[in-house]
Amino acid sequence: SQKIEQNSEALNIQEGKTATLTCNYTNYSPAYLQWYRQDPGRGPVFLLLIRENEKEKRKERLKVTFDTTLKQSLFHITASQPADSATYLCALVSYNTDKLIFGTGTRLQVFP
Amino acid sequence: DAGVIQSPRHEVTEMGQEVTLRCKPISGHDYLFWYRQTMMRGLELLIYFNNNVPIDDSGMPEDRFSAKMPNASFSTLKIQPSEPRDSAVYFCASSLARVGQPQHFGDGTRLSIL
Repeated sequence: SQKIEQNSEALNIQEGKTATLTCNYTNYSPAYLQWYRQDPGRGPVFLLLIRENEKEKRKERLKVTFDTTLKQSLFHITASQPADSATYLCALVSYNTDKLIFGTGTRLQVFP
Repeated sequence: DAGVIQSPRHEVTEMGQEVTLRCKPISGHDYLFWYRQTMMRGLELLIYFNNNVPIDDSGMPEDRFSAKMPNASFSTLKIQPSEPRDSAVYFCASSLARVGQPQHFGDGTRLSIL
């Protein structure tokens, strides 16, 4: 069956460190993979998109990698700040559909 | 620019009542999506529209759920009759025409069915 898995356990890190979040998928052939941030009581907010033929994408302190052999995406936040504390969701779009399928999200807590 | 606007933000009603959730997408966006989010199941796609036409409603849980998009600037999600298990946060999102474009979400409607 198709699955998108993210660490259900919260990730707790100290301010200034690099946070790394994992997104694994099975039985999908994604054309695109996206990462969103969700704060309590708010809707998800788009952060980055990476295509199947791209290995890495960067935006300011954010970096996303996409390994279609491992069926995995990694999301990095460098020099993390308490304001980065939120839930991060990965989502993918397969070739034959317009639908975005979301993972369950990983909660990140950055401590000062 | 105004983002996706949903109303109401909170709704508390008794089992058996009709519930109507509303969404105004971002102007110029051709796709509109309705999602439901719960702790147990995460964010699930219920239905989506392209140019006001329903494309895929396979995520709609039961016939009690229905969605309409009478024009490009308005959509409704209706539950009739409502049940306690429908309690969740319902999100509307919109995006530009191209596949893979980022989706822009509203802040959701928190629905509680007593």
